[in-house]
Amino acid sequence: EPEVTQTPSHQVTQMGQEVILRCVPISNHLYFYWYRQILGQKVEFLVSFYNNEISEKSEIFDDQFSVERPDGSNFTLKIRSTKLEDSAMYFCASTTQGVVADTQYFGPGTRLTVL
Amino acid sequence: AQSVTQLGSHVSVSEGALVLLRCNYSSSVPPYLFWYVQYPNQGLQLLLKYTSAATLVKGINGFEAEFKKSETSFHLTKPSAHMSDAAEYFCAVKTGTASKLTFGTGTRLQVTL
Repeated sequence: EPEVTQTPSHQVTQMGQEVILRCVPISNHLYFYWYRQILGQKVEFLVSFYNNEISEKSEIFDDQFSVERPDGSNFTLKIRSTKLEDSAMYFCASTTQGVVADTQYFGPGTRLTVL
Repeated sequence: AQSVTQLGSHVSVSEGALVLLRCNYSSSVPPYLFWYVQYPNQGLQLLLKYTSAATLVKGINGFEAEFKKSETSFHLTKPSAHMSDAAEYFCAVKTGTASKLTFGTGTRLQVTL
């Protein structure tokens, strides 16, 4: 069964460093998402992406964040200058049509630790 | 704005007992509701979803949920808990044309012998 994959599973970085989190969505999916979950808190929406542009973004997704689909398979989240409060589990998700009833399929997540 | 509230961050049941995980939603328009499960060190897996077709929704692993508009609820149930059901369960909502999911805070289910 096709699944969303994410690398790395765990990333440790120093405050102020740039990180890139990678995701490979399910191959025939067209809509892509990033969510994050700070330890002990709820899963929060960051950004949605379709047709090579951002469809929607949350207040969390400020200028320090960017997303890209550099090729036909990868979907990346870049944090330019990490802060301690960026430490969280980051989940990538994808879906076929992006309509409200669609199921979003999630990857296993990348745990980001900022020291 | 859409939101969901999950009552009880931790629920413990005995193996074979009824599982009831509570979720209440807030939405000014008809919602689409989802239950996801997260096993340790894994991603979020869809258990079931309500998309206005039938109010009682059956999902995987014997779980089901009933949409009750009058109570703004979408509680998750399973008649008989199994040890393998131990996980974190998230209720989520989408409304209108918004494609993003808004999650509750999650409920950790513990199953004891």
